[in-house]
Amino acid sequence: DTEVTQTPKHLVMGMTNKKSLKCEQHMGHRAMYWYKQKAKKPPELMFVYSYEKLSINESVPSRFSPECPNSSLLNLHLHALQPEDSALYLCASSQASGQGAFVYEQYFGPGTRLTVT
Amino acid sequence: GENVEQHPSTLSVQEGDSAVIKCTYSDSASNYFPWYKQELGKRPQLIIDIRSNVGEKKDQRIAVTLNKTAKHFSLHITETQPEDSAVYFCAARLSGYSTLTFGKGTMLLVSP
Repeated sequence: DTEVTQTPKHLVMGMTNKKSLKCEQHMGHRAMYWYKQKAKKPPELMFVYSYEKLSINESVPSRFSPECPNSSLLNLHLHALQPEDSALYLCASSQASGQGAFVYEQYFGPGTRLTVT
Repeated sequence: GENVEQHPSTLSVQEGDSAVIKCTYSDSASNYFPWYKQELGKRPQLIIDIRSNVGEKKDQRIAVTLNKTAKHFSLHITETQPEDSAVYFCAARLSGYSTLTFGKGTMLLVSP
């Protein structure tokens, strides 16, 4: 099973709303990622969790708040977003460094299409 | 950090032709090079990958080659079909890290 699931598929929110994106995987991966993707651009890394600890924050504004409740779940809490934050938000997972020798594949979820109005 | 350049940005071919997409990377410590295919509105899907201890890998109509000396790797698609139309991203992973650095993508259009 190489599936990463994400909910919701689509989300429309106002600039004063609070919402959360959810991601789940059951591949035993201990590295999980949030990416932001604009149309016709590559995925842009936002956060990396390794063994449930935040290991990378790519200078993301504080209106995005990640959370990793356990090794299978990853959330992204959204608050006071701007229209320019509208994008496809992708979750991904992989083996973490040191978790398994030579197993590097990173798998993406289907994404949440976010529109901020 | 790692930097990955990808060419061309768009590629149009006729059905049945071959397509080649090229990427270069900057850090010789990179040891894993995946290729992702992303159809419109869908997730990036891992289609093939290669590790630094291998020079070439094939899977049916797709193949990837790696030249570590020149620090470049390429995706080859033979006998292209309209369903191959998508955006293709190359990426590189530095040894000891789990994160990927992506190229800017190539939009492949296969005309019937």
